[in-house]
Amino acid sequence: NAGVTQTPKFRILKIGQSMTLQCAQDMNHNYMYWYRQDPGMGLKLIYYSVGAGITDKGEVPNGYNVSRSTTEDFPLRLELAAPSQTSVYFCASRSRDRDSYEQYFGPGTRLTVT
Amino acid sequence: GQNIDQPTEMTATEGAIVQINCTYQTSGFNGLFWYQQHAGEAPTFLSYNVLDGLEEKGRFSSFLSRSKGYSYLLLKELQMKDSASYLCAVNTGFQKLVFGTGTRLLVSP
Repeated sequence: NAGVTQTPKFRILKIGQSMTLQCAQDMNHNYMYWYRQDPGMGLKLIYYSVGAGITDKGEVPNGYNVSRSTTEDFPLRLELAAPSQTSVYFCASRSRDRDSYEQYFGPGTRLTVT
Repeated sequence: GQNIDQPTEMTATEGAIVQINCTYQTSGFNGLFWYQQHAGEAPTFLSYNVLDGLEEKGRFSSFLSRSKGYSYLLLKELQMKDSASYLCAVNTGFQKLVFGTGTRLLVSP
C-alpha cells in the first residue's frame, strides 16, 4: 500500500513552459486535493475532486487545470508557467466515510519557475 | 473572507509543556485540524475537533471553542523530535481546508 504518490519530486521550468504534476493514490479514496505551499506559509487549496469526473476550484485555481478520469489519479496541469508558481505542491486524498476525516498527503513536488 | 491566525514561532525546552494557539474567522466551519510538518516533508495528521472541548491523544491534546473561534494544541513532555511546524486548518465544507501560516516550534535540550 503506497498511499499517495507524486511525481516528479523536483522540477525546474522556464517561464512559459507547461507541465503536469502527477498524483496517484491506492487507498480507493473518493476525495482528492491539490495544495501549494509557498516558503514559510500554510497550504492553499488549488483544486479538489469528490470523485471521478467531478472537480472544483479551491482558493487559488488561476493558472492551473485538473482532471479526474479515474478514482486513483488526479493530475495537475500548469499552462504557461510563471515565477509566481514557484512553490511546493502537495496532493492529498481522503475517504468519503463520515468517520474518516484525515487527509493523507503525498511527499510533494518542488517546482521552480525561472 | 478567511482568516486564521497562529504565532509564527515558539521555543520550548525538552520535557516542558507548550500551547500553540489558533484563532479563526471563516465563512464556514465544519471542524478544525492540527497537522505537524517537519521541514521538507508533507504534513501529518495530529487531531480533528468538531465539537467544543478537549481531545486528548497521548502527549498531544487539542481544544476547541466554536463560540470564540479559538483552538489550541497542547504538547506535553516535549521531545527534540517535536521540533516542527504546526498547522491549524479549518474545514469549511467538503473537507476543503483553509490553513493558517503555521507555527514553527523549536525544542532545545
